[in-house]
Amino acid sequence: EAGVVQSPRYKIIEKKQPVAFWCNPISGHNTLYWYRQNLGQGPELLIRYENEEAVDDSQLPKDRFSAERLKGVDSTLKIQPAELGDSAVYLCASSEYPGQGADTQYFGPGTRLTVL
Amino acid sequence: KQEVTQIPAALSVPEGENLVLNCSFTDSAIYNLQWFRQDPGKGLTSLLLIQSSQREQTSGRLNASLDKSSGRSTLYIAASQPGDSATYLCAVEGGGGLTGGGNKLTFGTGTQLKVEL
Repeated sequence: EAGVVQSPRYKIIEKKQPVAFWCNPISGHNTLYWYRQNLGQGPELLIRYENEEAVDDSQLPKDRFSAERLKGVDSTLKIQPAELGDSAVYLCASSEYPGQGADTQYFGPGTRLTVL
Repeated sequence: KQEVTQIPAALSVPEGENLVLNCSFTDSAIYNLQWFRQDPGKGLTSLLLIQSSQREQTSGRLNASLDKSSGRSTLYIAASQPGDSATYLCAVEGGGGLTGGGNKLTFGTGTQLKVEL
């Protein structure tokens, strides 16, 4: 069974440029998460989707970040414009069941973003 | 706000040694606690998940315990091997009052483990 797929794996851009990350969750997983992991830190949740609906986006910096999950499968996370402080690894995860305390999250390999 | 702390930040041990990694969290109203492994340049792999009603979980050489009331968990690795070298992350789901809960995982900063030959 294929795991969570993310692309690109690495991205280097100059500040003020836009950037987008793509995620394909495990087949049949209804819940999708985007996390940001700064160097030496644990991941922090940016947004969580249940199917097409964003049910928790309280940590998403909405002035420059946006996300979508059309058709409840693939998801895209966008930053426009990027700032130096956005340099981090962006992780996508998925889980099969919604609800609290229900299920293990499966993580993709991440996209390492460097903003120059 | 839920906060998760992991001690030590880094650990180096000789091959074959048994070791313990520690995790503490500030709000005991959690749904579960998970231990993850992260290899350099890769995503996270779930090792063990302990539901809030459980005290421990075991998988091979790994044993994780949970003391919810005191806000603590330990990950015990028996007979460590060089292949165990990685960063180990503890994460709790829930806690943190109105800003927590749901499927939100709060992670610690990890323990970087190196097992030497």
